[in-house]
Amino acid sequence: LAKTTQPISMDSYEGQEVNITCSHNNIATNDYITWYQQFPSQGPRFIIQGYKTKVTNEVASLFIPADRKSSTLSLPRVSLSDTAVYYCLVDDSNTNAGKSTFGDGTTLTVKP
Amino acid sequence: NAGVTQTPKFRVLKTGQSMTLLCAQDMNHEYMYWYRQDPGMGLRLIHYSVGEGTTAKGEVPDGYNVSRLKKQNFLLGLESAAPSQTSVYFCASSYPALAGGLNEQFFGPGTRLTVL
Repeated sequence: LAKTTQPISMDSYEGQEVNITCSHNNIATNDYITWYQQFPSQGPRFIIQGYKTKVTNEVASLFIPADRKSSTLSLPRVSLSDTAVYYCLVDDSNTNAGKSTFGDGTTLTVKP
Repeated sequence: NAGVTQTPKFRVLKTGQSMTLLCAQDMNHEYMYWYRQDPGMGLRLIHYSVGEGTTAKGEVPDGYNVSRLKKQNFLLGLESAAPSQTSVYFCASSYPALAGGLNEQFFGPGTRLTVL
């Protein structure tokens, strides 16, 4: 299982762009990179998933360099409601079904 | 659609007691998972299932058993609860991702368990 390393915490201010980087040095060929968001007392919620290069959806962008040993979640113009824990997950549901490993996540605090 | 539901939401047990946590999903997902989350920590996979009638061990399976008799239900059992099992338990479900496809886990609201 590919392990991930993220910063424990980050602070930002409303309206800023936030970039959270995840390191996954032993990522396997079939692994995808997925990011989840978790608010207190709730289950995690899917944000974005990618395999390589750049993926963008309505809430975030995911940048993955060619060697895929790291990835960066980018949140544009954060608001107070983006204060949450963000998890980077590397898994391969096709050949290692169910073997998902969540790290300890990054606690993002957005200040006014 | 209710998504993923968990029963009960809260429970307090005494050491040595047993209980079963129920997870149900109405999305026809093949995969189901049980995680535990200790205060200030990430999620750790306890057991998972890739289909009806199948289960497998995750990262921290000791002290837990599971069953998947029906596709929509995944049960987590504690035979003899210990204080170390005090945690929040999350259930999740997902489709198996086809090559290049999206693998998104849908999580339930969690069960907060305290073992005294």
